[in-house]
Amino acid sequence: ETGVTQSPTHLIKTRGQQVTLRCSSQSGHNTVSWYQQALGQGPQFIFQYYREEENGRGNFPPRFSGLQFPNYSSELNVNALELDDSALYLCASSTGQSTNYGYTFGSGTRLTVV
Amino acid sequence: QKEVEQNSGPLSVPEGAIASLNCTYSDRGSQSFFWYRQYSGKSPELIMFIYSNGDKEDGRFTAQLNKASQYVSLLIRDSQPSDSATYLCAVPPRSGGYNKLIFGAGTRLAVHP
Repeated sequence: ETGVTQSPTHLIKTRGQQVTLRCSSQSGHNTVSWYQQALGQGPQFIFQYYREEENGRGNFPPRFSGLQFPNYSSELNVNALELDDSALYLCASSTGQSTNYGYTFGSGTRLTVV
Repeated sequence: QKEVEQNSGPLSVPEGAIASLNCTYSDRGSQSFFWYRQYSGKSPELIMFIYSNGDKEDGRFTAQLNKASQYVSLLIRDSQPSDSATYLCAVPPRSGGYNKLIFGAGTRLAVHP
């Protein structure tokens, strides 16, 4: 059974550019959740995708968008990058919408905006 | 009041001692509680979860939950230098249908030889 994989591991972008981060969910999981973790803070919920539909969104602007594909892998897109978008982006997969059983994160993508 | 609060630390304990990490939460409807360990530059790793009031033990780790006081703690017995990390408390709130985790800012633990 493979775990959650994210790509790329590191990325440097210039302010104003766009970025796409990718996540492959664990086998058998139909839900993907994305989090942003700024330095020195806990992860913050961006949004969740369940069966290809957005199922809840945190306090992030519309320039953060996502997709989930029929194989349940997912993308996080961020447009018009700002310096404050520099963070560790984490993806987690699970079965079902509830987080009452917790989940396992991928290794993350470190995004630096300069 | 923040939804999930932790002391940021650092909490410094000698090797072999008991480390006690605390967390309070605001949503009384929360049903499950998680502790994650995060080493510097790495992603969070789930180490404990608890659903019922009382204690839950797993090896050197004990999670304690008091729903009346909205308090959850993590004890690490016989602390080792390899336990030095940031410990994150996470709670799925009832609002939103338990579809997300709310994390505290984390407590940094330093175990010195």
